Amino acid sequence: KAGVTQTPRYLIKTRGQQVTLSCSPISGHRSVSWYQQTPGQGLQFLFEYFSETQRNKGNFPGRFSGRQFSNSRSEMNVSTLELGDSALYLCASSLFGGAWEQYFGPGTRLTVT
Amino acid sequence: TQLLEQSPQFLSIQEGENLTVYCNSSSVFSSLQWYRQEPGEGPVLLVTVVTGGEVKKLKRLTFQFGDARKDSSLHITAAQPGDTGLYLCAGRWMENTGTASKLTFGTGTRLQVTL
Repeated sequence: KAGVTQTPRYLIKTRGQQVTLSCSPISGHRSVSWYQQTPGQGLQFLFEYFSETQRNKGNFPGRFSGRQFSNSRSEMNVSTLELGDSALYLCASSLFGGAWEQYFGPGTRLTVT
Repeated sequence: TQLLEQSPQFLSIQEGENLTVYCNSSSVFSSLQWYRQEPGEGPVLLVTVVTGGEVKKLKRLTFQFGDARKDSSLHITAAQPGDTGLYLCAGRWMENTGTASKLTFGTGTRLQVTL
């Protein structure tokens, strides 16, 4: 079974721009969660989508948004990028979602200059 | 805010040594997971523990869930360079159940095993 894939793997953007990251979950998994990982804050939960509906949300500003498509693929968008948004963005898929076991993709390394 | 503290933050040991890392919270977990993350990759699930006092073994790794379900430990016997990575615990608290529950990750223990 193929694992979770994320594209692109690396991205460099300028302050004020916006960015869209993509995630394809494991086949059959309906839940996709997004996390931000930085050296200072560790792994922080952004949001979770299950069957195209946002089911849970972390404490991030409205500049961070996401969506899920009918094939369970998910996208995450960050608008008006700030230097502090530089991070590794991880997507995880799960069979049941919530706090069940998560299977992570390799991440997208976003650098904001 | 529920916090999950891991200790130590950093650990550098030589091949063949034993080590233990800890994951603690002031609240009771309904379940707890351990992940290992290697540089440039996402975390990989190692184990899930759900019962107080539970012990699970994965080759040279031994995971224990505290009797009170507020803490967990990971013990590695005869560490190898391949064990190098960031070890993360992630918990779901008793009052945070149902479809809206989410995992909260610990601060992580960065392990380096040298020859």
